[in-house]
Amino acid sequence: QSVLTQPPSVSGAPGQRVTISCTGSSSNIGAGYDVHWYQQLPGTAPKLLIYGNNNRPSGVPDRFSGSKSGTSASLAITGLQAEDEADYYCQSYDSSLSGWVFGGGTKLTVL
Amino acid sequence: EVQLVESGGGLVQPGGSLRLSCAASGFTVTNNYMSWVRQAPGKGLEWVSVIYSGGGNTYYADSVKGRFTISRHNSKNTLYLQMNSLRAEDTAVYYCARGDLTGEWPPTFDYWGQGTLVTVSS
Repeated sequence: QSVLTQPPSVSGAPGQRVTISCTGSSSNIGAGYDVHWYQQLPGTAPKLLIYGNNNRPSGVPDRFSGSKSGTSASLAITGLQAEDEADYYCQSYDSSLSGWVFGGGTKLTVL
Repeated sequence: EVQLVESGGGLVQPGGSLRLSCAASGFTVTNNYMSWVRQAPGKGLEWVSVIYSGGGNTYYADSVKGRFTISRHNSKNTLYLQMNSLRAEDTAVYYCARGDLTGEWPPTFDYWGQGTLVTVSS
């Protein structure tokens, strides 16, 4: 069981908007630690998608956005495209574990 | 160009040992928080260990503490993971990742290697 909780799956039609939640606790997200998001396409290594809660690395489309509030964070994807079909992971730090923690991952299906 | 290339994976019997390597180029490993992250077949990502920039403090996930050791070779610009007393549940693809602290804690894993598969089985 992961320290950060994500829904196992979400889906949406092309062009729609979807959100993926990431719920933590007072020892990680709620403690003020940044949340980062990664996209993992099938058979490939994870790729940084959002850093520092709501920042996009160069090359990531502005269709992807992040937010954080309290003990939770969210990833939003607008204008869904077929190539967005992938697994998405949130990540932060946990002070009680003294280590990095990931969410369990969310599989996005584009219908 | 930043690159991370892992090697050393393979098939090992339970109780055995293996050493993974991650050759870095385009940056200096001592200047970053270098981590190992693993992914069991069909499962999610699990952080394994980190070696801090500068002084090189090390930290481990509870699941590997006392069995795995992370280290780096400064002149070879290479990260290592020595894995002892391996168990079936250690079977996974092991990625090395560069941790970059551009904002608040924790550092972001901004570059990843392609991964190396470790299979623990008799």
